[in-house]
Amino acid sequence: GQSLEQPSEVTAVEGAIVQINCTYQTSGFYGLSWYQQHDGGAPTFLSYNALDGLEETGRFSSFLSRSDSYGYLLLQELQMKDSASYFCAVGGAAGNKLTFGGGTRVLVKP
Amino acid sequence: DADVTQTPRNRITKTGKRIMLECSQTKGHDRMYWYRQDPGLGLRLIYYSFDVKDINKGEISDGYSVSRQAQAKFSLSLESAIPNQTALYFCATRKTGGTDTQYFGPGTRLTVL
Repeated sequence: GQSLEQPSEVTAVEGAIVQINCTYQTSGFYGLSWYQQHDGGAPTFLSYNALDGLEETGRFSSFLSRSDSYGYLLLQELQMKDSASYFCAVGGAAGNKLTFGGGTRVLVKP
Repeated sequence: DADVTQTPRNRITKTGKRIMLECSQTKGHDRMYWYRQDPGLGLRLIYYSFDVKDINKGEISDGYSVSRQAQAKFSLSLESAIPNQTALYFCATRKTGGTDTQYFGPGTRLTVL
């Protein structure tokens, strides 16, 4: 089976940097994805790591260490619109399906 | 127009009723998924389909059934709804190959009284 752990909530101020950690246990690993979900909205794809290292997409970066079964999402220059829930997800063998973590609620304060 | 659509967006029903949630996509993707989300929790996979003739159970398929009527349509049915099936339901699509990226519909909020 697969399980993922991430913090339930993080609070920060505008302009700050937030790191959301995700540790996983899997029977097969195809890649680590991150999704953002605003209240009442649908999850939307943010980033994907299949190999070790850092992927940068604008203000957001994602990191993966396969040997440590660990990854993180880094949110820089926080803006109010970044207040949302962030989910890590692991793809199993051949990427057939995703298993999601419980989500981290990020609250950005002025 | 949205690439992945779900109908209805909201539904209130009573215990024991049969309910069908529908999902359509114009992305041309072959893989489709149904998830359930409960408050404060992540998404849990109910069923997934790789093509019209390939349907697979997810981690919480009991009490649900699906139908892949065409590559673009994937329906989820609750045969006899019960209150603990009250949740937000999402459909998602993905193209075979490439990354794991899934594209989600807007969701259906289902309440079973």
